[in-house]
Amino acid sequence: DTGVSQNPRHKITKRGQNVTFRCDPISEHNRLYWYRQTLGQGPEFLTYFQNEAQLEKSRLLSDRFSAERPKGSFSTLEIQRTEQGDSAMYLCASSLWTGNSNEQFFGPGTRLTVL
Amino acid sequence: EDQVTQSPEALRLQEGESSSLNCSYTVSGLRGLFWYRQDPGKGPEFLFTLYSAGEEKEKERLKATLTKKESFLHITAPKPEDSATYLCAAGSGGSNYKLTFGKGTLLTVNP
Repeated sequence: DTGVSQNPRHKITKRGQNVTFRCDPISEHNRLYWYRQTLGQGPEFLTYFQNEAQLEKSRLLSDRFSAERPKGSFSTLEIQRTEQGDSAMYLCASSLWTGNSNEQFFGPGTRLTVL
Repeated sequence: EDQVTQSPEALRLQEGESSSLNCSYTVSGLRGLFWYRQDPGKGPEFLFTLYSAGEEKEKERLKATLTKKESFLHITAPKPEDSATYLCAAGSGGSNYKLTFGKGTLLTVNP
């Protein structure tokens, strides 16, 4: 399968715990995005990388959220001291930025439930 | 602030009954209008990108069009398997760095 993959698909945690999600983009893509989606809403942009550089992170929801993309390959999204309001679907997308088109292809998402 | 509004929120059709979904946008410096399909519990699936007013793209029973203020997704003779949430997103910022999504239209096609 050559699409975007995300792990785990589901995560249940207790309030106050830290969680980390992984995203593996389409191999030839140079951009990687993280979004959050809550029920009945469209995806909400969080942050993105071009290769290993994080070019926009002002939309991360709080300083409890952080993302990394070491070596420009896979990426991780970490949420520290989780809160019940963090329960959502976390989506990763990747794209091949060529200067013109920027179609983003999404993974299946990680569903987070904070008890 | 960039805004994308989709209507209706939900649409129920009979199989074969054609209709259109609307996406209106307020974006400074639009760099692409994107349509996605999302099935329950899954990530959005890319359908179309439109870049300039007057542009149209088709895929099977779907056709997307773009004006300066809105986009339409026309569904011709839909089938039950077309049932899904259809999301519209506007690209903005340098190099399309951000997509602003609407809330989506939940389409149900009854046999």
